[in-house]
Amino acid sequence: EVRLVESGGGLAQPGGSLRLSCAASGFSFTNYAMTWVRQAPGKGLEWVSSISGGGDSRKYADSVQGRFTISRDNSKNTLYLQMNSLRVEDTALYYCVKVYDGSGYCFERGGDYWGPGTPVAVSS
Amino acid sequence: QSVLTQPASVSGSPGQSITISCTGVSSEVGNCNYVSWYQQYPGKAPKFIIYDFTNRPSGVSNRFSGSKSDNTASLTISGLQAEDEGDYYCSAKGGGSTWVFGGGTKVTVL
Repeated sequence: EVRLVESGGGLAQPGGSLRLSCAASGFSFTNYAMTWVRQAPGKGLEWVSSISGGGDSRKYADSVQGRFTISRDNSKNTLYLQMNSLRVEDTALYYCVKVYDGSGYCFERGGDYWGPGTPVAVSS
Repeated sequence: QSVLTQPASVSGSPGQSITISCTGVSSEVGNCNYVSWYQQYPGKAPKFIIYDFTNRPSGVSNRFSGSKSDNTASLTISGLQAEDEGDYYCSAKGGGSTWVFGGGTKVTVL
């Protein structure tokens, strides 16, 4: 059974930092790209960042480029999102998503498993 | 980044069929350019219900079907049931190797 469990969310001040983690199990982690998607309160889904299975390719939404860094540790089956220079508009529930495509790339093809999310609130 | 447009809301009576459109989809198919659809209940994570425009993952009801015509993808829910109430999102490849979502459609069962 595929399982994704996010952690690391919480309250941060504007300009502050947080590091999100996502522990994955139930599939061959190295073979799949992974993605972070967020959802602000009462709003729709927003893609944040994706990383290839081997970690050699990383993509970011314009809204987080230069502030967030996605990474993964395939030996620990864990995905990360380092969030720096946080802004009020980063407040959202952050979901860890397993990419459906088995090539290790092609994150745009969709996410078949989603974690329950970890909340991030940025406020002074 | 491309923009995918969905109607804000769609409603129907039990047993009816409804269709949710997603416009702004690239006419190119392949090269990671596929549409997927998600169902979300309040307070829950999205659920993957359609991939590659028309395919259903294992375990998803066959009342859900996807299609594509030119620059529009569509999700049809047949035999509408109370449990189908929720939000539905389309997604596709955006410009510059991005992944974009539609704004979401709230489905109401009358």
